[in-house]
Amino acid sequence: KAGVTQTPRYLIKTRGQQVTLSCSPISGHRSVSWYQQTPGQGLQFLFEYFSETQRNKGNFPGRFSGRQFSNSRSEMNVSTLELGDSALYLCASSGRDRGSSGELFFGEGSRLTVL
Amino acid sequence: AQSVAQPEDQVNVAEGNPLTVKCTYSVSGNPYLFWYVQYPNRGLQFLLKYITGDNLVKGSYGFEAEFNKSQTSFHLKKPSALVSDSALYFCAVRVLDGNNRLAFGKGNQVVVIP
Repeated sequence: KAGVTQTPRYLIKTRGQQVTLSCSPISGHRSVSWYQQTPGQGLQFLFEYFSETQRNKGNFPGRFSGRQFSNSRSEMNVSTLELGDSALYLCASSGRDRGSSGELFFGEGSRLTVL
Repeated sequence: AQSVAQPEDQVNVAEGNPLTVKCTYSVSGNPYLFWYVQYPNRGLQFLLKYITGDNLVKGSYGFEAEFNKSQTSFHLKKPSALVSDSALYFCAVRVLDGNNRLAFGKGNQVVVIP
C-alpha cells in the first residue's frame, strides 16, 4: 500500500511569489492534514480537510490556504511568500473519521526555502 | 486545551544502554497519546499510541511507552539503544475538537553514542 506522497520534495522561491504544494493520501483515507515544521516553532497545525471540506484551521494568516479534491488529494497554497515561510511542510492522512483515535500517517514533506 | 511537554532538548545515551525520552501531558478527559520519530529530511514515522487499556504500550523498532495517569506522563523507552535510533522524537496528543488534529511537543533530539 503506497504511503502519503508529497510533491515537490524541495523548492526554492523568492519573496512575494506564491507556491502550491501537493499531497496524495493513502488510498482510502479521506482526512488530510497539513503541518508546518520550523526549528523555532516546531510542528504547527495548518488545516485539515475531510471529504473536500475544511474542518479545522490553525492560527496562520490568510496567505495560507488549501483545498481537497474529490479523490482526497489535497493542495496547499501560500501566497506573497515571506522569508519566515521557509519550512518543512508536512501532509498527513488518516483513515478514521472525526474525533477518532487513529494515528496520522505522514508524507516525507516539502521543504520550502524562501530567498 | 490539550498539550504535551517534552522537557529535555537532547538525550545522549551510549549504545546498548536503556533509552528514555520524557513526555508529560495536559488534557481534559482521557488522553489519546502518540509517539513519532523523524530522521533527517524525512517525514514523521508513527511509533506507538495509547488510547486505553494496558498502561505499557509496545510499538515499532523495539520501542515501548508507559502511560502514567497519576504523573500525567507518557515516557518513551527502549531497553537497548542502537546508533540507528539517533533521531528526533515527538510526543503528541489528540486535540479533542472532534477532528483529527494532533498537538505536538517540541521534540527531543536523541543521540546514541557508539
